[in-house]
Amino acid sequence: DIQMTQSPSSLSASVGDRVTITCQASQDISNYLNWYQQKPGKAPKLLIYDASNLETGVPSRFSGSGSGTDFTFTISSLQPEDIATYYCQQYDNLPSFGQGTKVEIK
Amino acid sequence: QVQLVQSGAEVKKPGASMKVSCKASGYTFTSYGISWVRQAPGQGLEWMGWISVYNGNTNYAQKLQGRVTMTTDTSTRTAYMELRSLRSDDTAVYYCARHVMTAFDYWGQGTLVTVSS
Repeated sequence: DIQMTQSPSSLSASVGDRVTITCQASQDISNYLNWYQQKPGKAPKLLIYDASNLETGVPSRFSGSGSGTDFTFTISSLQPEDIATYYCQQYDNLPSFGQGTKVEIK
Repeated sequence: QVQLVQSGAEVKKPGASMKVSCKASGYTFTSYGISWVRQAPGQGLEWMGWISVYNGNTNYAQKLQGRVTMTTDTSTRTAYMELRSLRSDDTAVYYCARHVMTAFDYWGQGTLVTVSS
């Protein structure tokens, strides 16, 4: 099974800051990497698919990059409504998720 | 618009079975798969398995093999997930999600299942 190592597990940043989350796969997964946002008590929401493609309707301050084993998710300017937990998810064979990154406002 | 509406919360005793439903609307049901994902309290997301609505093929997470069955009813546009021999660590919110290529683009609202004696 492919393991996903996501870091950090939590972070605190100020409104307007650039926020970066990384996800590392235990083996090459090409670009089969997606990013989700989950707010408390809500279902996850797809933000980025295939490593770098913005899902329709998602603000352009969210972006993703990477391929192979190393991936990055960025919020270019953190907004109060971005407070959530973010998960990476790979789908090379069977899906699996990273452990999540809780983003808070400083 | 695409919607996945799940059945309501349940409380089950250890050793019992549970069956959660997920009714789809707003798209061609047979054109997409359905995955099930669960989330234990305060924990991360765990993929449980996938069913092709088109032909009924399934693929389950190894740790749940033998205890989980996923089915669909195309006449009612509903997907089902049954989990048997419930344990306390099966307590979780269970989500269905529409499966498009490699991602899950629409999710149900979640169903809390509590396993407790």
